[in-house]
Amino acid sequence: SQQGEEDPQALSIQEGENATMNCSYKTSINNLQWYRQNSGRGLVHLILIRSNEREKHSGRLRVTLDTSKKSSSLLITASRAADTASYFCATKGAQKLVFGQGTRLTINP
Amino acid sequence: GAVVSQHPSWVICKSGTSVKIECRSLDFQATTMFWYRQFPKQSLMLMATSNEGSKATYEQGVEKDKFLINHASLTLSTLTVTSAHPEDSSFYICSARGQGADTIYFGEGSWLTVV
Repeated sequence: SQQGEEDPQALSIQEGENATMNCSYKTSINNLQWYRQNSGRGLVHLILIRSNEREKHSGRLRVTLDTSKKSSSLLITASRAADTASYFCATKGAQKLVFGQGTRLTINP
Repeated sequence: GAVVSQHPSWVICKSGTSVKIECRSLDFQATTMFWYRQFPKQSLMLMATSNEGSKATYEQGVEKDKFLINHASLTLSTLTVTSAHPEDSSFYICSARGQGADTIYFGEGSWLTVV
């Protein structure tokens, strides 16, 4: 069964706006990772946040982690058309990554 | 980031034949590789985890005799779909992780169509 659940399942915004996606998980984790997938392509690693971290930045990306609520959020600021993709959170326990259902993000020009 | 190469990108095969997909880590030694399957507009389903030199660990519901996984070296893992059927048509993605590393890198995926 899937560990993570992303919310919303689909998000459509105008270029330049910020996009926020949320992820909830069920069990204890070592870290949580966010990935992007363009249609029909492989996954691109975006950012990793460890269980003892609360916030992390990478360029236009900001990730937060709340282990007490078992949730994480991914914020993309100043969105661009090229950000259109599916975004997945993945939680890592002992060894393997378990993915959520993903959020399909569409940036409208 | 590290590079994981997957080949072929797409393959069409006849029902009943076998097809092999390769996953290579190009610039790091992958002690662990993972194989996923993804249906259209759905998430990734982990099929199996393989550690170099040992047998793969399959997820529940995945037929090990149908999906043969070999991880004979630190840079190469292969997935062989045996006696393929149309329902095996899917997008297969591999990923790899180095020794002690947290980040897992993905290949570009392979589209399999069984006709």
